[in-house]
Amino acid sequence: QSVLTQPPSVSGAPGQRVTISCTGSSSNIGAGYDVHWYQQLPGAAPRLLIFGNDNRPSGVPDRFSGSRSGTSASLAITGLQADDEADYYCQSYDSSPSGPVVFGGGTKLTVL
Amino acid sequence: QVQLVQSGAEVKRPGASVKISCRASGYIFTSYEIHWVRLAPGRGLEYMGWLSPNYGNTGYAQKFQGRVILTSQTSTNTAYMELSGLKSEDTAIYYCTRGPRALWYDDHWGQGTLVTVAS
Repeated sequence: QSVLTQPPSVSGAPGQRVTISCTGSSSNIGAGYDVHWYQQLPGAAPRLLIFGNDNRPSGVPDRFSGSRSGTSASLAITGLQADDEADYYCQSYDSSPSGPVVFGGGTKLTVL
Repeated sequence: QVQLVQSGAEVKRPGASVKISCRASGYIFTSYEIHWVRLAPGRGLEYMGWLSPNYGNTGYAQKFQGRVILTSQTSTNTAYMELSGLKSEDTAIYYCTRGPRALWYDDHWGQGTLVTVAS
């Protein structure tokens, strides 16, 4: 049972827009702590996709965007491509004994 | 370029310990934290703890308190994670990561080390 809640799976057709939600609580996202997102392609290590809620590291396409509001955050992917098929994880700091860092359970994105 | 290179796969018996190394290059080792994260089958990513190579400070997730020790050797830019009292549930891929100080995210990841715990 992960501290941050993500849908187990989402799907979309090439070219479409999908969003992945990440729901937390008052000890993490709701307390104002930043949310970060990672992409894990099959057989590879995770890579940073979004940091500080809505910032992209260099090299990450602007098709990927993040937002945070209240106790939740979202990752949006526009212009879906076949190689976006991967697992996506959200992460945040947590001030409770569950911390200092907590992850979502991960969301499997399938490109139809 | 920033690289984190981890030691190879391990197979351990229940109750044993494992020590994984993570050699950093391409940046000033003492200017960033090293975090450890694992990915167990069907369980998603789990945060284990952090180490500041500059000061030797460490912090551990409650779940791993008392079972994990994080250390580093600044002369070789290498971090280590030792996990003791291994159980079958510890079978996972273990990652070291680089984290900007006090920002609690991981901007570079090692390739991962598979630890298999089986009798």
